[in-house]
Amino acid sequence: NAGVTQTPKFQVLKTGQSMTLQCAQDMNHNSMYWYRQDPGMGLRLIYYSASEGTTDKGEVPNGYNVSRLNKREFSLRLESAAPSQTSVYFCASSPNPPSGTITEQYFGPGTRLTVT
Amino acid sequence: AQSVTQLDSQVPVFEEAPVELRCNYSSSVSVYLFWYVQYPNQGLQLLLKYLSGSTLVKGINGFEAEFNKSQTSFHLRKPSVHISDTAEYFCAVSRITRNKLVFGAGTILRVKS
Repeated sequence: NAGVTQTPKFQVLKTGQSMTLQCAQDMNHNSMYWYRQDPGMGLRLIYYSASEGTTDKGEVPNGYNVSRLNKREFSLRLESAAPSQTSVYFCASSPNPPSGTITEQYFGPGTRLTVT
Repeated sequence: AQSVTQLDSQVPVFEEAPVELRCNYSSSVSVYLFWYVQYPNQGLQLLLKYLSGSTLVKGINGFEAEFNKSQTSFHLRKPSVHISDTAEYFCAVSRITRNKLVFGAGTILRVKS
């Protein structure tokens, strides 16, 4: 049982390049989330998916797109990377029902992205 | 909307001393409250959570937190810290009817020998 896995662990991009961050969970959780972590700002929600086939914007969605490929996988895409997107990105999953209250989230190890 | 304020960005403390990490939240509706810990270069893991019932919640690694509704606080405490407790700690809140968390900015706990 690997929990939540993320690839890659590290990535350096040039401004304007695109890339996809991958996330997978093996806990049969309904909900999945993408956050970014910046110093002094805590974690901010980019997008989330309450269930397979649905996605919703979080607090800071601009410049990102997501795909909930199936129940296990939730990817985050940067179409045209900007230096402001330099951050650590975390994926998380939660067992709560799609319309239910969150009671716990499980986090992946993170992807450290630098955009030059 | 909910918001979380962690009152200290860094807390230095000597080993075996007690520590309190402060968290205040703002919400017009009932909420659930969480503390997460992030060790260097790792993801977050849940320390403890308050959903309902007793306002004193015990978590892993000897941590506990007390929910105070009148003061809208959820402070984290440990009576005696170890070097291994050095990490960043995040307070988070969710509305009871929603499935999203709002995080505070984090408090870095530095335990010195």
